[in-house]
Amino acid sequence: AQKITQTQPGMFVQEKEAVTLDCTYDTSDPSYGLFWYKQPSSGEMIFLIYQGSYDQQNATEGRYSLNFQKARKSANLVISASQLGDSAMYFCAMRGSRGSASKIIFGSGTRLSIRP
Amino acid sequence: DTGVSQNPRHKITKRGQNVTFRCDPISEHNRLYWYRQTLGQGPEFLTYFQNEAQLEKSRLLSDRFSAERPKGSFSTLEIQRTEQGDSAMYLCAGTWGSNTGELFFGEGSRLTVL
Repeated sequence: AQKITQTQPGMFVQEKEAVTLDCTYDTSDPSYGLFWYKQPSSGEMIFLIYQGSYDQQNATEGRYSLNFQKARKSANLVISASQLGDSAMYFCAMRGSRGSASKIIFGSGTRLSIRP
Repeated sequence: DTGVSQNPRHKITKRGQNVTFRCDPISEHNRLYWYRQTLGQGPEFLTYFQNEAQLEKSRLLSDRFSAERPKGSFSTLEIQRTEQGDSAMYLCAGTWGSNTGELFFGEGSRLTVL
């Protein structure tokens, strides 16, 4: 069975500092994909970044990067130079080996609060 | 704007009533997912479709929940004999066969069961 674990219910970070949000996963699928989504207080789910299990390099999208450690089954999100607008819930998610036709499951989330 | 619309946005009902939510993705979204989210928690997988075929349904779902996607376009999620524990945000998301398969979420339908 697939499982996503986010162990940080909440985090406080000073503006302009970097922050790492933890995500570990469990799957027996040989191929899978990992996502991070942001959910501001307004409620919409915003896709941030994707990492395929066979990708050779860690994914990056602007200030977001994914620290993928396959052997440890971890896919941590790193946000550089945090901004007040980064305050939100962040969810890690995983897709299984049926490729883009697989179901996608989410972790319980981390609430990130940026202090001015 | 993700192109995924959900209706109604908010539904208040009495315990024991049936409710139906509708999701309209864009035409390119051949896959459609339903999730349930309670306050402060992550989206909980309910079911998903590839075109009109329902590929998987969560074992957590009781028989009171049913979903359809006729003709592979819009989808409906029906909850029969609602219970107070069904109160939640119901999220719909669409995607197509891109390399990542990222989900494009609607704004959700909030259910309150009195």
